[in-house]
Amino acid sequence: AQSVAQPEDQVNVAEGNPLTVKCTYSVSGNPYLFWYVQYPNRGLQFLLKYITGDNLVKGSYGFEAEFNKSQTSFHLKKPSALVSDSALYFCAVRDQTGANNLFFGTGTRLTVIP
Amino acid sequence: DAGITQSPRYKITETGRQVTLMCHQTWSHSYMFWYRQDLGHGLRLIYYSAAADITDKGEVPDGYVVSRSKTENFPLTLESATRSQTSVYFCASSSQGAVTEAFFGQGTRLTVV
Repeated sequence: AQSVAQPEDQVNVAEGNPLTVKCTYSVSGNPYLFWYVQYPNRGLQFLLKYITGDNLVKGSYGFEAEFNKSQTSFHLKKPSALVSDSALYFCAVRDQTGANNLFFGTGTRLTVIP
Repeated sequence: DAGITQSPRYKITETGRQVTLMCHQTWSHSYMFWYRQDLGHGLRLIYYSAAADITDKGEVPDGYVVSRSKTENFPLTLESATRSQTSVYFCASSSQGAVTEAFFGQGTRLTVV
């Protein structure tokens, strides 16, 4: 069965510093991977996805993610953090049983400190 | 305005009562989903629908019922609410299931007392 793990419940980073939010996955075959962000009292918003192609995927708001097949990771990155990036981030993987839906990780709360 | 809307935003109900959460999308997306969000669990899929009149169970379907008679609506019913169903519920839609971007509603915070 497929799964995603977000090993850090909380990540703190100073404004202007690079940030990384970690995600590892477990699937059989080729993964479809996603990152979503949730701001307070809001629904999730799509950031980026990897299906095939370049291992470095660029997304919204200056975020990017690096797909690493050997390490089964899909870490979210941003070169310079903004206070407004503070939010809850979810990694997700496509269900591979034939159902066309997503499995989400437990989320990582990112706090950018001014 | 195009979008996906959930109602109500907040609901308090008593144990054993039936309650229905509404979801409406204006994009004519084929796929719609219901998730619940709980601390420590992230989002878990309750039910999803690939088209009108086609629904299927997700990870945590027990105690919930869905229907989709029209493409744009996907209501979620708790037949007999329990305290364990206290949660934040999110509806989402996408044009091609898990291959394309999903758009989420703002959520319904349900408290069962």
